Amino acid sequence: GAVVSQHPSWVICKSGTSVKIECRSLDFQATTMFWYRQFPKQSLMLMATSNEGSKATYEQGVEKDKFLINHASLTLSTLTVTSAHPEDSSFYICSARDGSVGTEAFFGQGTRLTVV
Amino acid sequence: GQNIDQPTEMTATEGAIVQINCTYQTSGFNGLFWYQQHAGEAPTFLSYNVLDGLEEKGRFSSFLSRSKGYSYLLLKELQMKDSASYLCAVNLSGGYNKLIFGAGTRLAVHP
Repeated sequence: GAVVSQHPSWVICKSGTSVKIECRSLDFQATTMFWYRQFPKQSLMLMATSNEGSKATYEQGVEKDKFLINHASLTLSTLTVTSAHPEDSSFYICSARDGSVGTEAFFGQGTRLTVV
Repeated sequence: GQNIDQPTEMTATEGAIVQINCTYQTSGFNGLFWYQQHAGEAPTFLSYNVLDGLEEKGRFSSFLSRSKGYSYLLLKELQMKDSASYLCAVNLSGGYNKLIFGAGTRLAVHP
């Protein structure tokens, strides 16, 4: 199957700093990628839809100025958590699809963010 | 809004059969996925249903009834490695084909 690579796998940062997470589709082009957030023992909450060449579409309640998304190319999307706070500590995971409706979403390995 | 319901936890015995149910009420529907997720790892694809009926794939089967907004995942011949969370996800129609997840069902398989 298609491969989605997410980096870094884990990161620890200080409060107030920014952290960038990269998501790459390695063997297919992804016009659209999705960013999720997952708290322990909870499911994936869709944060935003990342669109190549245009602005991201954010879900209700997600601060777009805090979670900056850039979809620079058909194989790369980045999520930057700005001015991170301890409550931003979570598991962030991206996904992409190689095709349209009905094709499975391939997930990156996820990034464990801890803000201290 | 979107609503996808699954039981929070289930337990089963090695070698047995377990059925995990999922009900959904969403604004638009374009198929339903089941994913398996082990703690701290990315979800992995198990099945996809877009038409009513049963899809079988080895030890795993998934059923869909669109009129009832209902699906189930059936796991046969349970193995210890099947202990994981099972996520029901609805593919919303229109726009970017967003995938919205239920809360997941944590399955514990005991010897």
